[in-house]
Amino acid sequence: DAGVTQSPTHLIKTRGQQVTLRCSPKSGHDTVSWYQQALGQGPQFIFQYYEEEERQRGNFPDRFSGHQFPNYSSELNVNALLLGDSALYLCASSLDYRTSSHEQFFGPGTRLTVL
Amino acid sequence: GQNIDQPTEMTATEGAIVQINCTYQTSGFNGLFWYQQHAGEAPTFLSYNVLDGLEEKGRFSSFLSRSKGYSYLLLKELQMKDSASYLCAVRDRGGYQKVTFGTGTKLQVIP
Repeated sequence: DAGVTQSPTHLIKTRGQQVTLRCSPKSGHDTVSWYQQALGQGPQFIFQYYEEEERQRGNFPDRFSGHQFPNYSSELNVNALLLGDSALYLCASSLDYRTSSHEQFFGPGTRLTVL
Repeated sequence: GQNIDQPTEMTATEGAIVQINCTYQTSGFNGLFWYQQHAGEAPTFLSYNVLDGLEEKGRFSSFLSRSKGYSYLLLKELQMKDSASYLCAVRDRGGYQKVTFGTGTKLQVIP
């Protein structure tokens, strides 16, 4: 049973460019959350997807957008990249909050460097 | 919203016991997580407390007091591989039960 997978592992972009990061949740999970983790900080919640809809969002600008596909996989898009967007981007999968499960499994992350 | 505080760094000796504290202020509480994160890797789940008291799991234990907004993670018989960051995270009661992380405590285990 594959856990949460993310691609790519590492990515280098320049300011102003756009980037797309991908995540496949753990088998059986239907909810995907995205986090940004700057060096030395805890993960910061970007948004959460369920049933192909963004249903909760953290304090991130509209440059950050996403999508969830019918197979529950998800993409995170960041437009007009800034130097400050350099971070580890983590995808976490879980079951819908209305279930009794509290488990949230993280993928290995995508390390984004903006030059 | 959530406000979570934990020490930035701690050092402990191999074989010893260390306690990592976490305090939180929240508008709605539905559980507290502890995660371990080695440098450059994803967080891995350690424990989840939703009721007051101590949960023991091998060398690791986690305690919660909801009335005090306080939790700790206790690591016994420390090993060098326990050197990592330990993240405290709180789950909202309302909405879609978003999880908010603290900044993490970097633990260094020395010989």
